[in-house]
Amino acid sequence: SQQGEEDPQALSIQEGENATMNCSYKTSINNLQWYRQNSGRGLVHLILIRSNEREKHSGRLRVTLDTSKKSSSLLITASRAADTASYFCATQTSGSRLTFGEGTQLTVNP
Amino acid sequence: GAVVSQHPSRVICKSGTSVKIECRSLDFQATTMFWYRQFPKQSLMLMATSNEGSKATYEQGVEKDKFLINHASLTLSTLTVTSAHPEDSSFYICSAAGGRNTGELFFGEGSRLTVL
Repeated sequence: SQQGEEDPQALSIQEGENATMNCSYKTSINNLQWYRQNSGRGLVHLILIRSNEREKHSGRLRVTLDTSKKSSSLLITASRAADTASYFCATQTSGSRLTFGEGTQLTVNP
Repeated sequence: GAVVSQHPSRVICKSGTSVKIECRSLDFQATTMFWYRQFPKQSLMLMATSNEGSKATYEQGVEKDKFLINHASLTLSTLTVTSAHPEDSSFYICSAAGGRNTGELFFGEGSRLTVL
């Protein structure tokens, strides 16, 4: 079963707008990761945030983590059509095993 | 980043045949690889954890005799779908932890299996 829930399930925005996706999880974690998947392709790692971190940035990506609420958010600023993809959060508790959320399908309209 | 190669990317087979999917870590050694299954518009479901030199650990509900996993070397894990049926049609993805133990996993490009 999946650890996390993501919302929204689908998000459609215009190019240049910001996109925010949320992820909730149920158990204690070592870290939380965000991945991107283009249709029919493998996953690409975007960013990892450890349980003792609250916010992390990477280019146009901003990730927050609230361990008290067991939730995380991914913000993509100044979105581009090329950002269209599915985005998954995944939690890691011990070892390398990842448990994925349900994913958010982002569509950025040119 | 580390590269994981998965082959074949697409395979179509007849019901009752077996299909082997390979997952290779190209520039690092992977003592542990993971096999996922993904249905259309759904998330990844972990099927099993593949450990080099030992038996794979299967998730609850995954038939080990149906999905044979072999991890004979530090750079290669294989998933064999035995006696495939149409309901086995899915997207199978492997992943491996990179050599630097950062927690990040590297994923193959996936294999689309269609069983007729």
